[in-house]
Amino acid sequence: GENVEQHPSTLSVQEGDSAVIKCTYSDSASNYFPWYKQELGKGPQLIIDIRSNVGEKKDQRIAVTLNKTAKHFSLHITETQPEDSAVYFCAAPKNTGGFKTIFGAGTRLFVKA
Amino acid sequence: EAEVAQSPRYKITEKSQAVAFWCDPISGHATLYWYRQILGQGPELLVQFQDESVVDDSQLPKDRFSAERLKGVDSTLKIQPAELGDSAMYLCASSSDRVAGELFFGEGSRLTVL
Repeated sequence: GENVEQHPSTLSVQEGDSAVIKCTYSDSASNYFPWYKQELGKGPQLIIDIRSNVGEKKDQRIAVTLNKTAKHFSLHITETQPEDSAVYFCAAPKNTGGFKTIFGAGTRLFVKA
Repeated sequence: EAEVAQSPRYKITEKSQAVAFWCDPISGHATLYWYRQILGQGPELLVQFQDESVVDDSQLPKDRFSAERLKGVDSTLKIQPAELGDSAMYLCASSSDRVAGELFFGEGSRLTVL
């Protein structure tokens, strides 16, 4: 079955620095790779996603890169701000007839002012 | 902006009691998911509905958990009897896609079993 492994589990950066979170997946048929941000007491919210027909996607300070050969994808946050502090989850789909989204264990990002 | 509604936000119960959570997805979203999130971990899928039909409940502990979406709109997740290990956040999500796509999550129902 699909396994999604995410690291690091905790990341602490200085405001203005970049943060990188990496995920690997096992199902080579996976074709959609989202990243979710979860703030305290709230549900996860999509911040960026990428489909398998592209290698990189950017949205302002956030970017996602995908290496299908190696089966890994990464989240890049540049010029980090204190409000970026949250838990970030990667995910990948597993085809079960419908699509089941499997989440990584999460990365807790601390941005120090 | 349309949101996924969940209730209650917080529930404290004693073990062996019954609990129920309710979810109203974004209007028009055919797919509804119930996830369980234990503190410090990622969400784990319990059950997935396509309209009123269950498409995946492989991780639902069926001896004590049940879920329904009778009219293909809102949904209820029930636990009876609750156990200490059921303490977690129960997240509902919905999506409009029949292929893999964005999930829209509610704010969750936090369950504490004493």
